[in-house]
Amino acid sequence: DAGVTQSPTHLIKTRGQQVTLRCSPKSGHDTVSWYQQALGQGPQFIFQYYEEEERQRGNFPDRFSGHQFPNYSSELNVNALLLGDSALYLCASSQTGPSGEQYFGPGTRLTVT
Amino acid sequence: AQSVTQPDIHITVSEGASLELRCNYSYGATPYLFWYVQSPGQGLQLLLKYFSGDTLVQGIKGFEAEFKRSQSSFNLRKPSVHWSDAAEYFCAVYGGATNKLIFGTGTLLAVQP
Repeated sequence: DAGVTQSPTHLIKTRGQQVTLRCSPKSGHDTVSWYQQALGQGPQFIFQYYEEEERQRGNFPDRFSGHQFPNYSSELNVNALLLGDSALYLCASSQTGPSGEQYFGPGTRLTVT
Repeated sequence: AQSVTQPDIHITVSEGASLELRCNYSYGATPYLFWYVQSPGQGLQLLLKYFSGDTLVQGIKGFEAEFKRSQSSFNLRKPSVHWSDAAEYFCAVYGGATNKLIFGTGTLLAVQP
């Protein structure tokens, strides 16, 4: 079992550009959540996808959008990048259910210059 | 509102000494609680979880945590710390209907030889 995988590992973008991050969930998981972790902070919930729909959303602007594919993999898109978007972006997968047990990928480090 | 507080930003212990990391939560119902560990530049690894039942839960790498409802706490403990335990530790509560994990700001653990 490969666990949760994310690509790319690192990314450098310029202000105003757009970026797409990718995530493949752990085998058997159907739900994908995305988190942003700024330096020195705990992860902050961006949104969650289930059955190809956005199920919940945190306090992030519409510049942050996502998608889930039929194979449960997911993308996070960020438009009009700001310097403040520099962070580690973590993908977590889970099975449907109330437990909330989520397994995290290694993250994508995004640097906006 | 649901929240998690980790009062200690940074803790240093000697190798072989015991460890306790504090976590306090705010949640209206019975919480689902988690401890994660993060090595530098890495994703989050689940150490242990509490859903219900026995208030003392065992995790991986020799860690345990005790749920105390009266104190709204879920402190992480280890009887003898190893140098490889140096990392950042995050406590999280599952937000129920919001389907998200709410994290504390983390405690950075340093281990002295």
